[in-house]
Amino acid sequence: GDSVTQMEGPVTLSEEAFLTINCTYTATGYPSLFWYVQYPGEGLQLLLKATKADDKGSNKGFEATYRKETTSFHLEKGSVQVSDSAVYFCALSDWGNQAGTALIFGKGTTLSVSS
Amino acid sequence: DAGVTQSPTHLIKTRGQQVTLRCSPKSGHDTVSWYQQALGQGPQFIFQYYEEEERQRGNFPDRFSGHQFPNYSSELNVNALLLGDSALYLCASSPTRDRGYEQYFGPGTRLTVT
Repeated sequence: GDSVTQMEGPVTLSEEAFLTINCTYTATGYPSLFWYVQYPGEGLQLLLKATKADDKGSNKGFEATYRKETTSFHLEKGSVQVSDSAVYFCALSDWGNQAGTALIFGKGTTLSVSS
Repeated sequence: DAGVTQSPTHLIKTRGQQVTLRCSPKSGHDTVSWYQQALGQGPQFIFQYYEEEERQRGNFPDRFSGHQFPNYSSELNVNALLLGDSALYLCASSPTRDRGYEQYFGPGTRLTVT
């Protein structure tokens, strides 16, 4: 079945450091890929998305490129801030093969940024 | 524009009891999905409703059931509660016309089973 694997955390960085969180997926259809973020005490928020191969999603300085050849969707940011501290989830929706559009999530990566 | 709302915020139940959680989707959305998020884990898909019917179901037992009303709001029912059902239950809504199927999440209901 479809699945998402993302690097385990926690990831601890200093402010202004470069961030990469790896995410790879397995899907039988034509998935859309997403990164969601969960700030402490809050619900899930969509950070960025890509709906087809080679698409790049971007938002708030974060970027991720849909790589079909490597089945990856790694999250990157050039300079993290303390306010980026949160849990990041990679997810897919394999809408081509399903009657519905369920999101399949990775286990999440906790990012902690210190000043 | 109100986002996805859920009630109640917190709930404490005893093993064997039944619980009903409620969700109102974002304005203009007609598809509602439910997820279970155990502590320290990613959300797990329970089921999705569209046009008052269950469209897709995840790997959850029949103790988990749902309903969608004509105004698109939804309920999640869990019977014969187990300690392992303690989790954050998230509701998400989406517009079916959105090819990217972006889902908007509510703040969740924290269920504790004792």
